[in-house]
Amino acid sequence: SAVISQKPSRDICQRGTSLTIQCQVDSQVTMMFWYRQQPGQSLTLIATANQGSEATYESGFVIDKFPISRPNLTFSTLTVSNMSPEDSSIYLCSDFVASGGAETQYFGPGTRLLVL
Amino acid sequence: AQSVAQPEDQVNVAEGNPLTVKCTYSVSGNPYLFWYVQYPNRGLQFLLKYITGDNLVKGSYGFEAEFNKSQTSFHLKKPSALVSDSALYFCAVRDIDTGRRALTFGSGTRLQVQP
Repeated sequence: SAVISQKPSRDICQRGTSLTIQCQVDSQVTMMFWYRQQPGQSLTLIATANQGSEATYESGFVIDKFPISRPNLTFSTLTVSNMSPEDSSIYLCSDFVASGGAETQYFGPGTRLLVL
Repeated sequence: AQSVAQPEDQVNVAEGNPLTVKCTYSVSGNPYLFWYVQYPNRGLQFLLKYITGDNLVKGSYGFEAEFNKSQTSFHLKKPSALVSDSALYFCAVRDIDTGRRALTFGSGTRLQVQP
């Protein structure tokens, strides 16, 4: 599996500001995803990060609020813009490794965001 | 649309006893099924998956899961629970016939193993 790291691991931010989360994978991967896990909740897919093109967003998530970049096959960023307390969540980066039909998603350690 | 149900918010079991964490799924095509575990202040760790073949899948830390197509279930099991197994467990599904790559997760089940 590809090892995924995220920065920052946690942050406390003021409402109205923006935070950019970085995701680095130690090998080239086909696909990368961004998920949100609100307190006590399950994981919800925000978007699929596409290399060299605009991200594909899920219903309820928009590019203006969650701009995503993926400049190459090992790196992606998610920005949480104009934050409010409702954005307090764990944000997880995930990659998709397909090898001989053994397709698996692996996750980074997450970024714990608290918005005051 | 694909979905996953984990009917139990919490499962309590005594150390040394067998454990089962339930999961049922709904897909229009054929499923890939996964179990992940989340320890406090940690990301998700992959436990096991069903892609095809044998309905009984073995994974990390002594866990196994049984795929039952007629009951659309994929319950997670372990013959003898450890206190260190206490964590949050997520079942996830992907419908391989839709072309959608991302997983859809269940609501999670908290496993509490008492010493």
